[in-house]
Parts: sequence; C-alpha cells; structure tokens
Amino acid sequence: GENVEQHPSTLSVQEGDSAVIKCTYSDSASNYFPWYKQELGKRPQLIIDIRSNVGEKKDQRIAVTLNKTAKHFSLHITETQPEDSAVYFCAASIDSNYQLIWGAGTKLIIKP
Amino acid sequence: NAGVTQTPKFRILKIGQSMTLQCAQDMNHNYMYWYRQDPGMGLKLIYYSVGAGITDKGEVPNGYNVSRSTTEDFPLRLELAAPSQTSVYFCASSLTGAGYNEQFFGPGTRLTVL
Repeated sequence: GENVEQHPSTLSVQEGDSAVIKCTYSDSASNYFPWYKQELGKRPQLIIDIRSNVGEKKDQRIAVTLNKTAKHFSLHITETQPEDSAVYFCAASIDSNYQLIWGAGTKLIIKP
Repeated sequence: NAGVTQTPKFRILKIGQSMTLQCAQDMNHNYMYWYRQDPGMGLKLIYYSVGAGITDKGEVPNGYNVSRSTTEDFPLRLELAAPSQTSVYFCASSLTGAGYNEQFFGPGTRLTVL
C-alpha cells in the first residue's frame, strides 16, 4: 500500500525567511497531494493541493511542487510570518481511493 | 452553515466505560471519516463511510464501531475504553472521495481514559 514520509519533523526558520517541507510517496498511482495546516489546538485545514498532471501550484506565499519521477512533493512558504507557525501535514491519494495516506507532520517554528 | 460539528469537546472516561462521540455535517457530503491523533503525532484513520448505510475500516479500527444511518450523522462508539484510546478524535467529511476533494474537519474531541 501507499506510504508517505515527511521531513523534517521540526523546522525552525527566522521570520521573513523561506521554509521548505518535503514528502515522498511510494505508490506511483497516487495522483492527488494535499497539504494541511494545523495550528495548536485547532483542526487541520487544507492550504493547498496539487494533482499529478501539474508540476507546480502557487497561492500567494505558498507553493507546492511535484516530481512524479522521483515520487516526491514539497511545500514552499516564502516570507514567513509568525502566523505560519503550525504543524503541516502532507498526504497522498489515488483517485479511486476513499482514503488519504498522511505524513507524520512537520512542526514549523517561526523565530522573531 | 455550521460545517462539521462534534460533541463533546472533552471527556474523561474510566477504563472499561463506553461512550459515543457524535459527529454531524450540514454540507450534504457523502463521505465521512473518523481519525485519531495522538500527542505530537499524525492522523490515523479509524473508520470511514461513503454514504448512508455504508461503512468500512481504516487503519486502526480495533476497539471502535461506527454507524451511518443518515447522510448528516456519523457517530463513533468506543466500547470498553482503554488507556491506549486516550487521544484527540477528529471527524471529517468531503463531497466526494479523498482523492478528489478537500476534507473538512470538525473541532475535535479530546478523550482521556484513566
């Protein structure tokens, strides 16, 4: 079955710098890759997603890139701000699946 | 539009007790999910449902049961609570399957079993 690995588990960056979180997946049939943000004590919320027919997608300060050959995808956050501090989860799914396979999460800390 | 709601917010159970975690959504979503999240960990799927009357096991179903008699409600039943079931439980829903659409999460239920 599908397996998703996420790195690093904790990432600390200076406010204003960029942050990159990487995920790898095992099943080449996976074709949907969402990213969720979970603030402390809150529910996970979708921030961006990408499908396998697209190599990159941007939404203001966040972007996701996908390398199907290498089976990895990454979340990029530019000009980080204090409100970016949270745990970020990547996930993968095959269209015909009802389930998402989740990464273990990355705690992003923004230092003032 | 309330989205996905869960009750209770917090609960403390004694070992061996039972309880039902309630989940409801008002978005007319067909798909609903129950996850557990242990401290500092990711999400693990317990059960999911693709429509009223249809449920299936996820990654960690032991010790839990679900039912889906209506599109709106998806309760999770814990029988004979054990300390290993101490966790935060999230219910989620999506319009279609997880491979197509965003999952909307409820606020969570924090359960402690002592």
